[in-house]
Amino acid sequence: DTAVSQTPKYLVTQMGNDKSIKCEQNLGHDTMYWYKQDSKKFLKIMFSYNNKELIINETVPNRFSPKSPDKAHLNLHINSLELGDSAVYFCASSHLVPTTTNEKLFFGSGTQLSVL
Amino acid sequence: RKEVEQDPGPFNVPEGATVAFNCTYSNSASQSFFWYRQDCRKEPKLLMSVYSSGNEDGRFTAQLNRASQYISLLIRDSKLSDSATYLCVVNRDSYDKVIFGPGTSLSVIP
Repeated sequence: DTAVSQTPKYLVTQMGNDKSIKCEQNLGHDTMYWYKQDSKKFLKIMFSYNNKELIINETVPNRFSPKSPDKAHLNLHINSLELGDSAVYFCASSHLVPTTTNEKLFFGSGTQLSVL
Repeated sequence: RKEVEQDPGPFNVPEGATVAFNCTYSNSASQSFFWYRQDCRKEPKLLMSVYSSGNEDGRFTAQLNRASQYISLLIRDSKLSDSATYLCVVNRDSYDKVIFGPGTSLSVIP
């Protein structure tokens, strides 16, 4: 029944490793996002996909590669993990109707990534 | 200047108090405004949208001043369960790119 689900909930790994976080939404939304929340709790957008197409890429290092096999899934792959990548990563989704405002975001429960 | 700025916290208030949070945004073309709530170690959840005429939802009142690019949230009769971080959120453009403010932490004390 979970609307936006992401796995894993916790991810502990060594520097230099490659890891993936998966996200799925069953709300029928057109748009999915990845947000990063760092230790200072600041929530920053990383990517946004609309119907499998990238529409927002916020100057994230190219070690981060989002992949959307269909509009219900948006996975995040991270290569060569660095200490500074440690954060909580939130997946989210929303309807995208460019002429309509007040469309809210639905968030997954987050993935706590710790790079050692 | 950051796109969305909020009152620095934390706010520590007694139960029953009224507390107000302020938020300013830099992009005058912003179209949609929201308040989200985030509990510790949880995901953000929508508290309420903010409409031009101001709107109320129970103990919560949101106001928008487009001329001053300012949003506010008023919480009346604070409850212990209101303790959380309150995030001001602005939709920057028509592609629904929402920008989150840094958040204001509220602790309601018995």
